[in-house]
Amino acid sequence: DAGVTQSPTHLIKTRGQQVTLRCSPKSGHDTVSWYQQALGQGPQFIFQYYEEEERQRGNFPDRFSGHQFPNYSSELNVNALLLGDSALYLCASNPGLAGDLDTQYFGPGTRLTVL
Amino acid sequence: GNSVTQMEGPVTLSEEAFLTINCTYTATGYPSLFWYVQYPGEGLQLLLKATKADDKGSNKGFEATYRKETTSFHLEKGSVQVSDSAVYFCALIRKTSYDKVIFGPGTSLSVIP
Repeated sequence: DAGVTQSPTHLIKTRGQQVTLRCSPKSGHDTVSWYQQALGQGPQFIFQYYEEEERQRGNFPDRFSGHQFPNYSSELNVNALLLGDSALYLCASNPGLAGDLDTQYFGPGTRLTVL
Repeated sequence: GNSVTQMEGPVTLSEEAFLTINCTYTATGYPSLFWYVQYPGEGLQLLLKATKADDKGSNKGFEATYRKETTSFHLEKGSVQVSDSAVYFCALIRKTSYDKVIFGPGTSLSVIP
């Protein structure tokens, strides 16, 4: 049973560029959440997708956008990158309306460095 | 608002020592509580959870009890190993909304032989 997978593992970009991160949820899960973890801090919620729609959003600017596909996989897009966007980006999935609703399972993350 | 507070680290222990990492929370209603662990260079792994008052979560020798009266969920282990060196995050999710996990700032644990 494959867990949550993310790609790429590492990414280096320069200020002003755009980046796309990808996530495949755990088998049987239909809800995907994205978190940003700055160095030395706890993860902060960015947004969550369910049924291909953004269901809830954290306190992040519109430069952060996402998408969910019919197969439940998801993308996180960040435009006009800033140095402060450097972080570990974590994807998490949970089974939505069935099963263990309150437990989110996390992927290994994508380490984004903005120079 | 909802929040999680953890004891500040880093915590350094000798192998086989007793571990306690304190966690307290503020939340409306009755959240589910979690401990996640992050090993160096890796993502988050669910360590244990508790969903209601007086529940005890346990896994790999770690335990935590949901204490509603003190709004706490302290993590304990009787005998730590070098392989337990990691960052530990206390977290909650409100049952009224299964939307997001709220994390504490994390506590770094180093276990020395």
